[in-house]
Amino acid sequence: GEEVAQTPKHLVRGEGQKAKLYCAPIKGHSYVFWYQQVLKNEFKFLISFQNENVFDETGMPKERFSAKCLPNSPCSLEIQATKLEDSAVYFCASSQSPLTGNGYTFGSGTRLTVV
Amino acid sequence: EDQVTQSPEALRLQEGESSSLNCSYTVSGLRGLFWYRQDPGKGPEFLFTLYSAGEEKEKERLKATLTKKESFLHITAPKPEDSATYLCAVRGSGNTGKLIFGQGTTLQVKP
Repeated sequence: GEEVAQTPKHLVRGEGQKAKLYCAPIKGHSYVFWYQQVLKNEFKFLISFQNENVFDETGMPKERFSAKCLPNSPCSLEIQATKLEDSAVYFCASSQSPLTGNGYTFGSGTRLTVV
Repeated sequence: EDQVTQSPEALRLQEGESSSLNCSYTVSGLRGLFWYRQDPGKGPEFLFTLYSAGEEKEKERLKATLTKKESFLHITAPKPEDSATYLCAVRGSGNTGKLIFGQGTTLQVKP
């Protein structure tokens, strides 16, 4: 499709529970990026993939966060044992050529609320 | 370290009152400065990419310009539908394509 599809739109988890977010990139886009948007519009890069391979994981927290992009499946971002500070909107973006050209196309995000 | 700072944080304009948003950046070897528009509850929507100082791009009431240290997003005769958060980002100096975002400017245009 021509849009980046993120599911679910909203997710509520109790502290300590697991959260799993999904992202289907635009068909033909081989790069996927995950960003976390917390208060005041601050976007924080988490991780990127080139197809199923990790491309850049320099923003990924060392603990509790993991991500995958497997063939013929939506990409996923998983947070084990969620904490209150994980509450944020998580955006996925996809691109054909992130190193050149017009950046990437974003999905509408998943709002994670940890209570 | 790559850094992007936007100002002002918030801007209120009357319909038709032109103004500019600022984006100051620090990056080793700019490989693209991006402007996005974000509406509440939605992901950022691409507006412009600028690559070199002196470059300008226009779309309807918006015009983006670039110098070696900053970019401006000029809004001419804005309408209420231009109300949104405008985000500036630079492509990071590492060879991974990740974008470094500023904090955004939230624009409100009153009729």
